[in-house]
Amino acid sequence: RKEVEQDPGPFNVPEGATVAFNCTYSNSASQSFFWYRQDCRKEPKLLMSVYSSGNEDGRFTAQLNRASQYISLLIRDSKLSDSATYLCVVNIYYTGGFKTIFGAGTRLFVKA
Amino acid sequence: DVKVTQSSRYLVKRTGEKVFLECVQDMDHENMFWYRQDPGLGLRLIYFSYDVKMKEKGDIPEGYSVSREKKERFSLILESASTNQTSMYLCASSLGTDNLYSNQPQHFGDGTRLSIL
Repeated sequence: RKEVEQDPGPFNVPEGATVAFNCTYSNSASQSFFWYRQDCRKEPKLLMSVYSSGNEDGRFTAQLNRASQYISLLIRDSKLSDSATYLCVVNIYYTGGFKTIFGAGTRLFVKA
Repeated sequence: DVKVTQSSRYLVKRTGEKVFLECVQDMDHENMFWYRQDPGLGLRLIYFSYDVKMKEKGDIPEGYSVSREKKERFSLILESASTNQTSMYLCASSLGTDNLYSNQPQHFGDGTRLSIL
């Protein structure tokens, strides 16, 4: 079982739609969580960190459910420019440090 | 803003050549990473470094080596390039090495598209 799993999609949605992505993690020592966005043939860019109480940045809302070990990303009022791959990222503690695990990503296509 | 700069966006080399990929970050980050990304396989960690002259193997170190002589610079070396090393190579950096810094994200360079002919 992968340490971080995402639905690869693709998700095809019309402009203005609300779309949600889930990401599950298997290691209970996971402590920090992030969503990255990656455009085609570009580098991943940090979209937002995910905090325990949930957090919002404009049209984007991130949630964390430690009991069920998943995080989610909600995009409201989708724009054409939201089309990208969204990567779920988890930092996992181990003695002396931590390691970063990237999910394989979920592809989103927003259509006019 | 964090700036991670990779020396080349596109690179074409021949089988058997020794290839150097350079990465520089300007934020005094302790951690630096080299990944490769291939369609359907996601990001795979090759090597990382948490301090000058320190290096740790990632998930796929075979065929690669690294060098970190200065804090801001992390080099990836393909000792004898092979066609299966054709890929997108991404360098990243992040702040801090112990658990206090586990909430710090990684920041990526633009990537180098390497083709081995």
